[in-house]
Amino acid sequence: NAGVTQTPKFQVLKTGQSMTLQCAQDMNHEYMSWYRQDPGMGLRLIHYSVGAGITDQGEVPNGYNVSRSTTEDFPLRLLSAAPSQTSVYFCASSYSNSATNEKLFFGSGTQLSVL
Amino acid sequence: DAKTTQPPSMDCAEGRAANLPCNHSTISGNEYVYWYRQIHSQGPQYIIHGLKNNETNEMASLIITEDRKSSTLILPHATLRDTAVYYCIVRTRGSTLGRLYFGRGTQLTVWP
Repeated sequence: NAGVTQTPKFQVLKTGQSMTLQCAQDMNHEYMSWYRQDPGMGLRLIHYSVGAGITDQGEVPNGYNVSRSTTEDFPLRLLSAAPSQTSVYFCASSYSNSATNEKLFFGSGTQLSVL
Repeated sequence: DAKTTQPPSMDCAEGRAANLPCNHSTISGNEYVYWYRQIHSQGPQYIIHGLKNNETNEMASLIITEDRKSSTLILPHATLRDTAVYYCIVRTRGSTLGRLYFGRGTQLTVWP
């Protein structure tokens, strides 16, 4: 198993550009989520999904869209990039949403710079 | 889900035990304590979790106080590779993982 795969690893955008960060998992996990990490801020939850066709907002959803058309994929879309979205983005997944012993598996991250 | 408080940084000599505290004074009876760590530039990694009893696995031990208002993660023989940010998280049993907030964690530095 490849686990959680994020692409690209690095991306530079200009203000106003749009792009999609890709996240795929091959573990048949129901739950997937996106976090962003800024210096001194820890990890902040952007959006999450508890299954195909179901998404919800986390702490910092503004400026981001998600969809979950398949179990495997959970892309994160930046509609109009802003310098404030410069960050490292992590995708995470888990087998289910509600079990008491669930572990999150994280991807290796995407470093995004918006100029 | 209850919030947690951790010291921003700690250090430890290689080979010694690293004891990382976490305060979760508002924890409720059905909330689990989870620990993750993040080595520089990598995605976070699950370490251990528990509800009431102390837990041990191949990575660490988790000691939860009797009143459950605090816990300690113990790395029994810290190595340089244990240098990382450690996150203590509580989550309600059966709650959505979407509410799993990480906070800022504790930066553990292991020195030779």
